[in-house]
Amino acid sequence: QSVLTQPPSASGTPGQRVTISCSGSTSNIGNNFVYWYQQFPGTAPKVLIYRNVQRPSGVPDRFSASKSGTSASLAISGLRSEDEAEYSCAAWDDSLSGPVFGGGTKLTVL
Amino acid sequence: EVQLVESGGVVVQPGGSLRLSCAASGFTFDDYVMYWVRLAPGKGLEWVSLISWNGNTTYYADSVKGRFTISRDNRKDSLYLQMNSLRTEDTALYYCAKGPYRKMVRGVSPDYWGQGTLVTVSS
Repeated sequence: QSVLTQPPSASGTPGQRVTISCSGSTSNIGNNFVYWYQQFPGTAPKVLIYRNVQRPSGVPDRFSASKSGTSASLAISGLRSEDEAEYSCAAWDDSLSGPVFGGGTKLTVL
Repeated sequence: EVQLVESGGVVVQPGGSLRLSCAASGFTFDDYVMYWVRLAPGKGLEWVSLISWNGNTTYYADSVKGRFTISRDNRKDSLYLQMNSLRTEDTALYYCAKGPYRKMVRGVSPDYWGQGTLVTVSS
């Protein structure tokens, strides 16, 4: 059971906009930065979003994120087949003194 | 370019021990907190342990506290995880990961990750 809660799956057709939610508590999302990672099978996780809404250079602006209270969400617009991957959220947890993660959401592009 | 290369994962019996290593390059290793994070079959990412840039501060997940020890050698740009009293539930792909900001330990999550090394605990 992961500390942060994500839906196990999400799907959309090419060109659509999909959102993935991430729910936590005041000890993690509520008081710390949220990070989002993209992971393809057999590869290392790659940071998509840091400090709640910031995109590293090289990440397309089709990817955006938001945070409100103890929840966060990742939005992918103009969905492409190459976006099919696992997406995970993370945040530092003040009670556990370490980062906590969501269970991951497998995105399928239909 | 940041590179993190893990090694040391093998098949080990329950109760056994193992030492994982992570070789870092492409950044000033002794400026950053380092993490071990694992991915068990069918589960989400789970933080295991972290160590501050100078090695003076370490934190562990409750699931490994007292059994695992994290350490680093800043002269060799290397991170380690000593794993003792291994259990079947420790079976996972173990990732080495880097903190995002110089000298910052709390409040953040990893930015760069390695490819992982597979630990299988089975009789």
